[in-house]
Amino acid sequence: EAEVAQSPRYKITEKSQAVAFWCDPISGHATLYWYRQILGQGPELLVQFQDESVVDDSQLPKDRFSAERLKGVDSTLKIQPAELGDSAMYLCASSRGQAEAYEQYFGPGTRLTVT
Amino acid sequence: AQSVTQLDSQVPVFEEAPVELRCNYSSSVSVYLFWYVQYPNQGLQLLLKYLSGSTLVKGINGFEAEFNKSQTSFHLRKPSVHISDTAEYFCAVSLSGGSYIPTFGRGTSLIVHP
Repeated sequence: EAEVAQSPRYKITEKSQAVAFWCDPISGHATLYWYRQILGQGPELLVQFQDESVVDDSQLPKDRFSAERLKGVDSTLKIQPAELGDSAMYLCASSRGQAEAYEQYFGPGTRLTVT
Repeated sequence: AQSVTQLDSQVPVFEEAPVELRCNYSSSVSVYLFWYVQYPNQGLQLLLKYLSGSTLVKGINGFEAEFNKSQTSFHLRKPSVHISDTAEYFCAVSLSGGSYIPTFGRGTSLIVHP
């Protein structure tokens, strides 16, 4: 069964450092999502891609966060500089298209701890 | 904008007992409704979804949910739980004519005791 891959699974970094997360969606899925899940809460959308284009990044803190999906396949989410409040689980998901956003497939996530 | 309220942050239950996890939503337009499960240190997995049609929706792992438009609820039920059902459960809602991206509730932790 095809899965969404994410790496690393765990990351510990000091505040003010840069950190990057990688996601490889299910083959053929045109739409990719990055979510942030703070402990004890549900996931919140950070950015949505359709192929290589950003569809929605209204909730992405653009002063420190950036995301790209250069070839419309895998994607990288970067934080620079990291802050203590960025400690969370970062989830990547994909769907066949925007109209299938209700059927997203999630990766295992990257748990970030900022010290 | 739509929103979701999960009324219980934690639900303890004994193995083989029935369980209901409650979810209420708020929206002025038609919605799609979902339940996801998240096992420790894993991503979310779709349990079931309501898009249209029958208000009783059956999902994986023996779970089912009933859409009640008048009560704006979408409660999740299982007649007999297993230890392996211990996980975090998220209710989510999206606008049926909108971007389709779900808005998630805060989650309910189901704890099944032997």
